[in-house]
Amino acid sequence: DQQVKQNSPSLSVQEGRISILNCDYTNSMFDYFLWYKKYPAEGPTFLISISSIKDKNEDGRFTVFLNKSAKHLSLHIVPSQPGDSAVYFCAAKDSGTYKYIFGTGTRLKVLA
Amino acid sequence: EAGVAQSPRYKIIEKRQSVAFWCNPISGHATLYWYQQILGQGPKLLIQFQNNGVVDDSQLPKDRFSAERLKGVDSTLKIQPAKLEDSAVYLCASSPWGGGAGNEQFFGPGTRLTVL
Repeated sequence: DQQVKQNSPSLSVQEGRISILNCDYTNSMFDYFLWYKKYPAEGPTFLISISSIKDKNEDGRFTVFLNKSAKHLSLHIVPSQPGDSAVYFCAAKDSGTYKYIFGTGTRLKVLA
Repeated sequence: EAGVAQSPRYKIIEKRQSVAFWCNPISGHATLYWYQQILGQGPKLLIQFQNNGVVDDSQLPKDRFSAERLKGVDSTLKIQPAKLEDSAVYLCASSPWGGGAGNEQFFGPGTRLTVL
């Protein structure tokens, strides 16, 4: 049972354009949603998060949007840079167990 | 602030052999997690410790995997005996109680295990 889904395994975007990564979830007990970025041979690093009581959080070039009714969140990167090329994982935290559930990841490639 | 340390970084073993991984979390972090990440998949939680107590080990294959966190600091994860399907990256993460400021976890670099 995949509670957090990233349906696009890969995405290619031109440098300077917007990258949009999507994530869907099924569990209404999730209270925080997070995006992690992972480079090869490294552990995931935290990028940005959003509480379930908000619908938008912005940090520089990165914005996360949450649509609770649709159980959908997205990460926008504007403008995209070649250094953003990595695998992006969506994760959700269960409010009861503090357990984090990860999606399968989307590999972003930003073309120079 | 030092990050999460893991060792070894790489390990190659034959099936049916034993292997152990070590993790040193960020100082003061009460919660420690071990994840298994198989190629092409997201990290899957194996076990979660709160200080030295187990909070969740529902996805830990207990017939072959074991983990401990003595004194609520360092942790070891052991596989005995290993199977081919255990080939994966084993990630350790830590967080303050309830998660970091953004509710994030802090990950180590991982140990890549190859079982032949």
